[in-house]
Amino acid sequence: DSGVTQTPKHLITATGQRVTLRCSPRSGDLSVYWYQQSLDQGLQFLIQYYNGEERAKGNILERFSAQQFPDLHSELNLSSLELGDSALYFCASSPRDVQGAVDEQFFGPGTRLTVL
Amino acid sequence: AQSVAQPEDQVNVAEGNPLTVKCTYSVSGNPYLFWYVQYPNRGLQFLLKYITGDNLVKGSYGFEAEFNKSQTSFHLKKPSALVSDSALYFCAVRDRWGKTGANNLFFGTGTRLTVIP
Repeated sequence: DSGVTQTPKHLITATGQRVTLRCSPRSGDLSVYWYQQSLDQGLQFLIQYYNGEERAKGNILERFSAQQFPDLHSELNLSSLELGDSALYFCASSPRDVQGAVDEQFFGPGTRLTVL
Repeated sequence: AQSVAQPEDQVNVAEGNPLTVKCTYSVSGNPYLFWYVQYPNRGLQFLLKYITGDNLVKGSYGFEAEFNKSQTSFHLKKPSALVSDSALYFCAVRDRWGKTGANNLFFGTGTRLTVIP
């Protein structure tokens, strides 16, 4: 158990809908990352937050957005869903985000999203 | 831009034999390199990382990896494979601070390791 929790574990929805995925990082970790894992795209970085502020953006669609709250949990919002958004969405956390730090990331169990 | 390549989608090895999972990387400077393992229906678990120093890095569950700067490789190894090592293995690279301002990981496509009893 990594200490990172994600809810829900599974989500089935229809095209055009909007969903929210939730992540609680390990206790004390300030950085949260979101990744998407799909069969055709592999494991892709979406976005990173550090202590409530957006730090980096990867291959995140404009239909997707995220935020990190004062209690450090994070939510990933996916809207106008398409069939191709079906994937496993992982959240990861790490303690710091400072120059010289090379902390490994700890991954949650993921949320499997199925868009029908 | 940073990237990693895992040239083998699948590696099969007999139990008790040594295993190697290959990874090559591409970064503009010196890399930070990681190996993660993913078991079915689980998240990724950290195995080991290379930052600097000794080219042979030891990690969890008896795994080790050898950093080779001239060949830009970071192959994962284990002297004696176990059936329980069967899983999906990911190599990842992170750029050093200051180039992108971020420390997100760039993952390879993964290698499925099957250890045959």
